[in-house]
Amino acid sequence: GAGVSQTPSNKVTEKGKYVELRCDPISGHTALYWYRQSLGQGPEFLIYFQGTGAADDSGLPNDRFFAVRPEGSVSTLKIQRTERGDSAVYLCASSDDLGRGNTEAFFGQGTRLTVV
Amino acid sequence: QKEVEQDPGPLSVPEGAIVSLNCTYSNSAFQYFMWYRQYSRKGPELLMYTYSSGNKEDGRFTAQVDKSSKYISLFIRDSQPSDSATYLCAMRDSGGSNYKLTFGKGTLLTVNP
Repeated sequence: GAGVSQTPSNKVTEKGKYVELRCDPISGHTALYWYRQSLGQGPEFLIYFQGTGAADDSGLPNDRFFAVRPEGSVSTLKIQRTERGDSAVYLCASSDDLGRGNTEAFFGQGTRLTVV
Repeated sequence: QKEVEQDPGPLSVPEGAIVSLNCTYSNSAFQYFMWYRQYSRKGPELLMYTYSSGNKEDGRFTAQVDKSSKYISLFIRDSQPSDSATYLCAMRDSGGSNYKLTFGKGTLLTVNP
């Protein structure tokens, strides 16, 4: 596609439920990132994929959060036992990270998650 | 103290004004500095990208980096109502974690016609 696509655009779920957020990166981009943006804050890094593997998951807040990218393209962020504090916009970005220093990351529009 | 500090505003200016947006940071390892524009309910969009210290100009936008003071700026000349958005500074180091951006809180800018 032309840009990074995230689905759904909005998700309302009840506390304790499981949710999956999907990201379709720009075709051919090997690097994929998830960020979380809380209200009034800048995006915060969650996890980075290079190809199929999670190269850095140090930003995941706890073990309720997990992400996969099984074929090196689409990625799914999974949140178990959701809590009200998980409410935020979850942003996905991708880049053609070939080890150069100045690769641009393109962001999707985000999934707005509300836990009630 | 957060690694990147940015005044959240809001900032309101008349059309045609020069806008100055700023961030300070504490991590001296940061080498790459970016400014993103984020419209309401949209993802961030890269505006300017600067490596190390110096100035970079692109149309009405000028980015400045002063690494000695750990201070970066974005200037918008002849501001337009379409510039109304949240402006986020972001930065990263040049080491192995060159993918991990650290963002400021963002400054909400309104340009009034």
